[in-house]
Amino acid sequence: GQNIDQPTEMTATEGAIVQINCTYQTSGFNGLFWYQQHAGEAPTFLSYNVLDGLEEKGRFSSFLSRSKGYSYLLLKELQMKDSASYLCAALDSNYQLIWGAGTKLIIKP
Amino acid sequence: GAVVSQHPSRVICKSGTSVKIECRSLDFQATTMFWYRQFPKKSLMLMATSNEGSKATYEQGVEKDKFLINHASLTLSTLTVTSAHPEDSSFYICSARGGTDTEAFFGQGTRLTVV
Repeated sequence: GQNIDQPTEMTATEGAIVQINCTYQTSGFNGLFWYQQHAGEAPTFLSYNVLDGLEEKGRFSSFLSRSKGYSYLLLKELQMKDSASYLCAALDSNYQLIWGAGTKLIIKP
Repeated sequence: GAVVSQHPSRVICKSGTSVKIECRSLDFQATTMFWYRQFPKKSLMLMATSNEGSKATYEQGVEKDKFLINHASLTLSTLTVTSAHPEDSSFYICSARGGTDTEAFFGQGTRLTVV
């Protein structure tokens, strides 16, 4: 079956760095997305990886290892507004998005 | 990024009535639109996938006669919750994609409360 695993909740301190991991098992693979979702709002796009390696975009970076079925989202210089859920989603061979349950990130002062 | 507009953002309706939610892609042609339901503190649950001009494909367990989806054009899809009941109260979100390997752009979501 198809499955996405990511931690349920993580806590970090303002100004610090946090890494949110995601492992996936899908029927075929056509890329991996990270989305941010604040409570009561729709998800917003953060990143897309289809090749191995690290993609950096400001304070956020995303890494992919296709051979390991693994990705992580790295958030630097954490700000209180980064408190949100972070959703990992993989595109399978039919280009369907398979969603993880999301990681709730709590930022403390 | 591209813009997807979902309307209304909040709706309260009486039990037994029907509610229509609209999802529009404003600056791109959405060949595929997705409708999700999200319960508090839960992940997105895909309800159905619709391609323009064809019938929607519903996920297992989703009642197609209760959740009517229409995707009549490349920029508009609608979800109608028919004969709504309190258990249908939820956060409904649409997303749209212009191609098979592109990101999904999300609407703002609709908070439905059935009283």
